Amino acid sequence: GQNIDQPTEMTATEGAIVQINCTYQTSGFNGLFWYQQHAGEAPTFLSYNVLDGLEEKGRFSSFLSRSKGYSYLLLKELQMKDSASYLCALPKKRGYSTLTFGKGTMLLVSP
Amino acid sequence: DVKVTQSSRYLVKRTGEKVFLECVQDMDHENMFWYRQDPGLGLRLIYFSYDVKMKEKGDIPEGYSVSREKKERFSLILESASTNQTSMYLCASSSGTGGSPLHFGNGTRLTVT
Repeated sequence: GQNIDQPTEMTATEGAIVQINCTYQTSGFNGLFWYQQHAGEAPTFLSYNVLDGLEEKGRFSSFLSRSKGYSYLLLKELQMKDSASYLCALPKKRGYSTLTFGKGTMLLVSP
Repeated sequence: DVKVTQSSRYLVKRTGEKVFLECVQDMDHENMFWYRQDPGLGLRLIYFSYDVKMKEKGDIPEGYSVSREKKERFSLILESASTNQTSMYLCASSSGTGGSPLHFGNGTRLTVT
């Protein structure tokens, strides 16, 4: 089976940097996704990591360590609009886009 | 931009009713999915489909069925609605291969009374 762990909640201040961690256990690794979900809205795709290392995309970066079963999402220059839930997800099996989601980390950005 | 449209934003149904949730995507995606989202439990996969007339059970299929008669449309059916099916239902589609992101609809909040 698969298991994904994320902190339930985090708080940060506007302009700061925050790191949201995700640890996982899976029998076969086929990449890791991050999604953002604002309250009352649909999840939207942020990043996909399949190789170790850091991938940067504007203010958002995602890191993966396959040997440690660990990923993080790094958000820089936080803005109020970054207040949302951040979901870590794993493909259920190779070559398929069916995902298992973590329970999400609710990030609250305050002024 | 991919558009996934769910027919209703809010629905209120009575226990025992048959409920249809409709989802349409406009990007010719092969794969379509139904998830439900509950506080503290996250997103859980109900059913998915990789092709027309094809369906596979997800992690929590009990009490649900699906229909995919056309590529663009994927319907979730609650044969006899129960109060424990009160939830947010999210439809999604993807282009097929591993690494393809899911594109979600805006969700249907279903209340069963």
